[in-house]
Amino acid sequence: KNQVEQSPQSLIILEGKNCTLQCNYTVSPFSNLRWYKQDTGRGPVSLTIMTFSENTKSNGRYTATLDADTKQSSLHITASQLSDSASYICVVSDRGSTLGRLYFGRGTQLTVWP
Amino acid sequence: EADIYQTPRYLVIGTGKKITLECSQTMGHDKMYWYQQDPGMELHLIHYSYGVNSTEKGDLSSESTVSRIRTEHFPLTLESARPSHTSQYLCASSDQDSGLNQPQHFGDGTRLSIL
Repeated sequence: KNQVEQSPQSLIILEGKNCTLQCNYTVSPFSNLRWYKQDTGRGPVSLTIMTFSENTKSNGRYTATLDADTKQSSLHITASQLSDSASYICVVSDRGSTLGRLYFGRGTQLTVWP
Repeated sequence: EADIYQTPRYLVIGTGKKITLECSQTMGHDKMYWYQQDPGMELHLIHYSYGVNSTEKGDLSSESTVSRIRTEHFPLTLESARPSHTSQYLCASSDQDSGLNQPQHFGDGTRLSIL
């Protein structure tokens, strides 16, 4: 069964600190892995997309890594800000259909305290 | 930010009513999607469309129906709402020509509560 597991479920950090969120998946065949940020009451917004051949991608203070061999990804947030408080969702796409079936994790709820 | 709009943002309504959730995008995207999301849970695909007059059911069984008469418009309808339909409904779109690596752009969702 294709699955996406994220850890931790929730995380509290102080403003200015760094943090790393984890994503493990069993989706096969693999097409790409996406990280989304979802603010409370809003829709998810894409942060990064990585294909099989990419092992790191940055978007400002967000850096995603991918190890396709171990089927693991991480999202590193540098110098956190209060606006980083949100749910971060890992999404894996397969190559099994034209649709590019998406498998969603349940997200990591990040809270940044001043 | 992506130009995809959902209305209403919030809806509280009684059991048995007919409901239509609106979704419109101004990006000319061919692919559109409806997801259902409960608190703390993953998004579940309930409907998708490849283009005008194309609609398919997603992975999660849903009593809702959709239509795609125009590229920019993808409404979702519940003929008779029940408390079990209480959830957040998210609409998304993507550009088919960009292939599978195109991010999906999401609307801000409709939070539906059925009394």
